[in-house]
Amino acid sequence: DAGVIQSPRHEVTEMGQEVTLRCKPISGHNSLFWYRQTMMRGLELLIYFNNNVPIDDSGMPEDRFSAKMPNASFSTLKIQPSEPRDSAVYFCASSLGLLAFYEQYFGPGTRLTVT
Amino acid sequence: AQKITQTQPGMFVQEKEAVTLDCTYDTSDPSYGLFWYKQPSSGEMIFLIYQGSYDQQNATEGRYSLNFQKARKSANLVISASQLGDSAMYFCAGRFDSGNTPLVFGKGTRLSVIA
Repeated sequence: DAGVIQSPRHEVTEMGQEVTLRCKPISGHNSLFWYRQTMMRGLELLIYFNNNVPIDDSGMPEDRFSAKMPNASFSTLKIQPSEPRDSAVYFCASSLGLLAFYEQYFGPGTRLTVT
Repeated sequence: AQKITQTQPGMFVQEKEAVTLDCTYDTSDPSYGLFWYKQPSSGEMIFLIYQGSYDQQNATEGRYSLNFQKARKSANLVISASQLGDSAMYFCAGRFDSGNTPLVFGKGTRLSVIA
């Protein structure tokens, strides 16, 4: 079975540009999570969805960040406008649900560099 | 609030030896799951092992085992017969049932296996 799919794997963009990261969760998984990882801050949860509905977006750093999940098989994380401090690895993860015994499976990540 | 603590920023182990990575958690929920993830230098997050709060036996997956001590609120990862490929960052994470929350991650332990 295919795991969580993320695209692009690498993105280099200039400050001020719009960036869109994409994620396809594992088929049948009802919960989807977006994380950001940096050396300074470690792994941060940005937002998560359950059954395509955003549950908690308190981790989204600023209004420049937005996320959508239009259907069960696709989600986007958009940064507009991008800034150098947004440079990080962005992970998408999915799980069957939010109960305690459901493990999360991570995608390979998107390495974003904003110059 | 639920919390995962990993007190060892870095560990060294000789090849073929066993190593224990510490993890403690803080929760008042009776139902929870504990997870370990491996992040090699390539960056992906790999799910290793899961332990449920109601599980009677310690979880094992190949060379990985989880030393679960409920009274001490600890869930240490034991890697037996270390291999050079085990060199990576290891994250302990917990999922707690109150409010159907996503995973809470520790800050990680960097394991270096020495030949």
